[in-house]
Amino acid sequence: KNEVEQSPQNLTAQEGEFITINCSYSVGISALHWLQQHPGGGIVSLFMLSSGKKKHGRLIATINIQEKHSSLHITASHPRDSAVYICAVRGRPANNDMRFGAGTRLTVKP
Amino acid sequence: EAQVTQNPRYLITVTGKKLTVTCSQNMNHEYMSWYRQDPGLGLRQIYYSMNVEVTDKGDVPEGYKVSRKEKRNFPLILESPSPNQTSLYFCASSPGGAGRRAQYFGPGTRLLVL
Repeated sequence: KNEVEQSPQNLTAQEGEFITINCSYSVGISALHWLQQHPGGGIVSLFMLSSGKKKHGRLIATINIQEKHSSLHITASHPRDSAVYICAVRGRPANNDMRFGAGTRLTVKP
Repeated sequence: EAQVTQNPRYLITVTGKKLTVTCSQNMNHEYMSWYRQDPGLGLRQIYYSMNVEVTDKGDVPEGYKVSRKEKRNFPLILESPSPNQTSLYFCASSPGGAGRRAQYFGPGTRLLVL
């Protein structure tokens, strides 16, 4: 079983819909990252979380350390949000390796 | 412009022919890392480096070597490539250790080993 599980694997939405992508992990972590991989392959870091909630524009990321769960929300989704969203964790103790979820492929239709 | 560059972007080679994929960052970041991405397996860490002359193995280091002689460069070396190393490779860097700050990713290198 992967240490980092994402759901759903694939998600299709209509423009304007509210999107939620989930990430669960089985190890103790010091930080969790959400990444976006564009259709062309490039990867961009969206958020780094160690507790609580962060918001950038239409994107919101939350984390519940006790439940070992994080969510990425996209409000008012747009076709340009179509991408693969990847959850990654840095484990405890303070090592420096990173573990990744398999990714969620989001398609937003106009 | 702050960036991570990788070269080459695309490479086709044959089994056993040594190759090097270069990675360079211009942000004075301490941490650099190599990942490979395969369908169904996602991203997996190969090696990482906390600073010059400090490197450590990630999840899948077999068949790869790295060096960190200068802060800005972190080349990935395949001494004797095999077909199971066909993959999409990403280099990334961040200030401080992994997870402490956001990582900046290179554009990727698509490698095919015949």
